[in-house]
Amino acid sequence: AQSVTQLDSHVSVSEGTPVLLRCNYSSSYSPSLFWYVQHPNKGLQLLLKYTSAATLVKGINGFEAEFKKSETSFHLTKPSAHMSDAAEYFCVVSDASGGSYIPTFGRGTSLIVHP
Amino acid sequence: DTEVTQTPKHLVMGMTNKKSLKCEQHMGHRAMYWYKQKAKKPPELMFVYSYEKLSINESVPSRFSPECPNSSLLNLHLHALQPEDSALYLCASSQSENSNQPQHFGDGTRLSIL
Repeated sequence: AQSVTQLDSHVSVSEGTPVLLRCNYSSSYSPSLFWYVQHPNKGLQLLLKYTSAATLVKGINGFEAEFKKSETSFHLTKPSAHMSDAAEYFCVVSDASGGSYIPTFGRGTSLIVHP
Repeated sequence: DTEVTQTPKHLVMGMTNKKSLKCEQHMGHRAMYWYKQKAKKPPELMFVYSYEKLSINESVPSRFSPECPNSSLLNLHLHALQPEDSALYLCASSQSENSNQPQHFGDGTRLSIL
């Protein structure tokens, strides 16, 4: 069975300061992990993915995440927040348990960026 | 621009109406998904189609009826919906149900039931 926990429902930062969105996962198999962003009234856009290659993954818009197996974590970071980063972020885990790669979504973290 | 196209973007319907949501992708993906998303919540999986066959039905009420006419199209037929069915309905696709590659999402249909 797989599960994912996003530790914060809301994160508030000032523009130009670093962003950290935390995600922990549980998986009995070698998991694939993803971060998606959702702006209001839009679909989910893939930010980055980990699928058992390099543990430090770089994504779009300056975001990156590090897969840490020992800590079962996949935290999302960005060095400097921009106003346009304000959105809902979902951490997603997917593994072959159950015979197919059906993803499990975290509850979401709302990123608020202050000017 | 999204590679998964959903129509209509907005839909308002009464509880006795019949309507359909449409989803299209041309990425050659063989798995397609319907999700329901309520405000401030993650998407909830409704149906999965794999190679045009229904693979997963997450105990969705029969007033929602999916259809996959071909590998590029996915429909969701709606009939006798309830007010609690008001939500954003998202379509997604991926290479296959057995692939660890990510899903690609459309922008959704915002459904309101009067």
